[in-house]
Parts: sequence; C-alpha cells; structure tokens
Amino acid sequence: KAGVTQTPRYLIKTRGQQVTLSCSPISGHRSVSWYQQTPGQGLQFLFEYFSETQRNKGNFPGRFSGRQFSNSRSEMNVSTLELGDSALYLCASSYGAQGTGELFFGEGSRLTVL
Amino acid sequence: QKEVEQNSGPLSVPEGAIASLNCTYSDRVSQSFFWYRQYSGKSPELIMSIYSNGDKEDGRFTAQLNKASQYVSLLIRDSQPSDSATYLCAVNRGGGSNYKLTFGKGTLLTVNP
Repeated sequence: KAGVTQTPRYLIKTRGQQVTLSCSPISGHRSVSWYQQTPGQGLQFLFEYFSETQRNKGNFPGRFSGRQFSNSRSEMNVSTLELGDSALYLCASSYGAQGTGELFFGEGSRLTVL
Repeated sequence: QKEVEQNSGPLSVPEGAIASLNCTYSDRVSQSFFWYRQYSGKSPELIMSIYSNGDKEDGRFTAQLNKASQYVSLLIRDSQPSDSATYLCAVNRGGGSNYKLTFGKGTLLTVNP
C-alpha cells in the first residue's frame, strides 16, 4: 500500500512569490491535515480537510490556504512568501469519518524562502 | 501555559536501560493521546496511542495516561541505539468539529551503545 506522497520534496522561492504544495493520501484515507514544522516552533497545525471541506484551521494568516479534491488529494498554497515561511511542510492522512490523531505523514516538502 | 509540554532534552540513556519520556497538557477536555517518533531528517511516525487512564503496552513500549493529573508518559524498555530519535507527544481534543491535534515540541532521546 503506497504511503502519503508529497510533491515537490524541495523548493526554493524568493520573498513575495507564491507556492503550491501537493499531497496524495493513502488510498482510502479521506482526511488530510497539513502541518508546518520549524526548529523553533515544532509541529504546528495548519488545516484539516475531509470530503473536500475544510473542517478545522490553525492559527495561520490568510496567506495560507488549501483545498481538497474529490479523490482526496490535497493542495496547500502560500501566497506572498515571507522569510519566516521557510519550513518543512508535512501532510498527513487518516482513515475514518471523524478526525483522529492517528496520522500517517508524508516525507514533507522543504520550502526555503530567500 | 503551553498546550502540550515536553522536556526538550536531550535525554541520554545507556543501551538496555529504560527511557522515560513525559508530557503534560493543559486542555482538560482532551480525549486521545499519541506518541510519535521522528528520526532526524524523517517525518513523524505513530508508535503509540492511548485513550483511557492507565497503561498500554506494545512490545518494548508502554504508554501511561493520567487524565486527572493531565500527563502522558512513554516508557521504552531495553532501549536500543535505534530508538535514538525525537519523540513527539500529541493530544487530540476530539473528533469531527472538535478535532484539534496539538503536538509538543518533542524530546530528543539518545541511546548510547
């Protein structure tokens, strides 16, 4: 069974640009969550999607957005990039209609903003 | 008070010893609790989940939950060098619209051969 797939794995952008990250969950998993991981703040919750609906959102500015498609694949977008957005962005999927903490993480997309 | 707190470590133990990792949380309505392991340069992987007070054992790992005291712990028996990693405690408020999974910043464990 294939795991959670994230693309791209690495990317470098400059301030003011925007970026789109993609996540394909494990087959059959309908919930997709996104996290930002930095050395200083640890893992911080961005948002969670289930059946194409954003069900929960963390405390990030509106520059961070996401969506989920009918096949459960998800994308997140960060507009007007800032230096502080440099981080590892992790996508995680889980099975079931209710959100659980039993997450399966992808390898992440490492974003560097110059 | 931080929502989920862990000692950042590093916690260093000799091979074969018991490693004890602790976590406290502030939200009393939290319902489910998890331990994730993250090797350097890798993504987190779930190793234990616990939902009710008491102990839960899985191989060399034992998770302990005390909701009254709002703490969760992870014991690793017969620690191996391969257990060297950062251990993340995660706490979930609930499912559906109550879903909020909050991670601690993790404890770095080093097992010395």
